[in-house]
This record gives sequence, structure tokens and C-alpha cells, in this order.
Amino acid sequence: SQTIHQWPATLVQPVGSPLSLECTVEGTSNPNLYWYRQAAGRGLQLLFYSVGIGQISSEVPQNLSASRPQDRQFILSSKKLLLSDSGFYLCAWSGGLPSTSGVETQYFGPGTRLLVL
Amino acid sequence: GENVEQHPSTLSVQEGDSAVIKCTYSDSASNYFPWYKQELGKRPQLIIDIRSNVGEKKDQRIAVTLNKTAKHFSLHITETQPEDSAVYFCAASTNSGYSTLTFGKGTMLLVSP
Repeated sequence: SQTIHQWPATLVQPVGSPLSLECTVEGTSNPNLYWYRQAAGRGLQLLFYSVGIGQISSEVPQNLSASRPQDRQFILSSKKLLLSDSGFYLCAWSGGLPSTSGVETQYFGPGTRLLVL
Repeated sequence: GENVEQHPSTLSVQEGDSAVIKCTYSDSASNYFPWYKQELGKRPQLIIDIRSNVGEKKDQRIAVTLNKTAKHFSLHITETQPEDSAVYFCAASTNSGYSTLTFGKGTMLLVSP
């Protein structure tokens, strides 16, 4: 079965510091991968998605970037964090092989809670 | 692009009552509509989904209905229990090979014993 991991689980960072969040998926190959941000008490904002290695699409212009160096690894980065970057960061996957559900069904990782001070 | 509106933002019910959450979407090309449940501090969990070739789908106490003509879909929870308390999100997508979901803003459901 497929599993998705994120780390770290929680992170407290000062303003202006760099950021690297990692997401990995097991049990599937060539998945679509997504990064979302959820501010406290708010909805889900899609930040980036990727349909393959090295292929990144950005939904919201900001000081964040994403990379997919391996098929099942998705990284969210920032060179300099802002206070407004605080939130709950969720990675999700869909599709992949072997196919167990439609390509559109997304499954979320456990998330990383980021607090920028 | 797609826009999904969700109502109500908060819903309080007594245990055993039914709860209904409604969503509307703007893009007539959308053909996949999932519902997620998010408990406090946890990840969103898929609880039910429906595709545009189906009008209704049930899974035990939960059901989803879809009206393509009116472009709205609803989540129905019967015999609510305190453990149903959570934030529920609806979403819509077009199956274009990679599927970006557009989410509603969420409904906080509170079930009182």
C-alpha cells in the first residue's frame, strides 16, 4: 500500500532564515505530487504541483520554491522566511502506478507545522 | 479558473441529527468532487467522492449528491455522532491528467452529545 511521509513534523524558524521541507511517497511510482499551505483556521491553498521529476508548476507567486529531485521526493524551500509563511504545510499525492484509484484522487501527508517568529 | 463556494461555514447539531453541507462550483468541465474531513491538528482525510456520471453515492452514514445542471453538490451525514465533529472540505477538479483540486473554505461541524 502507498504511504506518504513528511518531515519535520514541527518547525520554529526565525524570520529571514532558510527553509527545507521534505515529502516522500512509498508504494507507488510516477505519482503526481502537490504542496499545500493551510493558515490557522483557513482553507487549503495549492502552492506547487509536479507531474514528474524536475517538472514543477507554481500556483501562487511567493518566496517559496519547490523541487522534485527524485520520482517520489518533493521538497519545499525558501531562502528567507517571512512571518506570513507560518502555517500547516501539507504534501499530497495522486495517480501513480500501480493504479489503485483515479488520477484525480489526492491523499495527504501528515503535514509540517511551521511557525516563523 | 474553478471557484468553489461552501456553506455554511459553521454547523452545530445535536447527536443523532442529520447534517448537510453544500458546495457550488463554477467550471462546468469539473467532473470529480471529493469531500475531506480534517480533525484538529490532523491531515485532511478523504471520506467520499463522486464523479460527474453519478448523481448520488452512499457509504454507511454519509452520502454525496451531485446536480450537474445547477453545478452544486452536497454532503449528507445522518445519525451524527460526536466523533463526526471536524472541519469538512469540498473540492472540485477536472481530470486533465494531473488534477488540481480547488477547495471550498471548509465547514466546521460541531456535534453536541
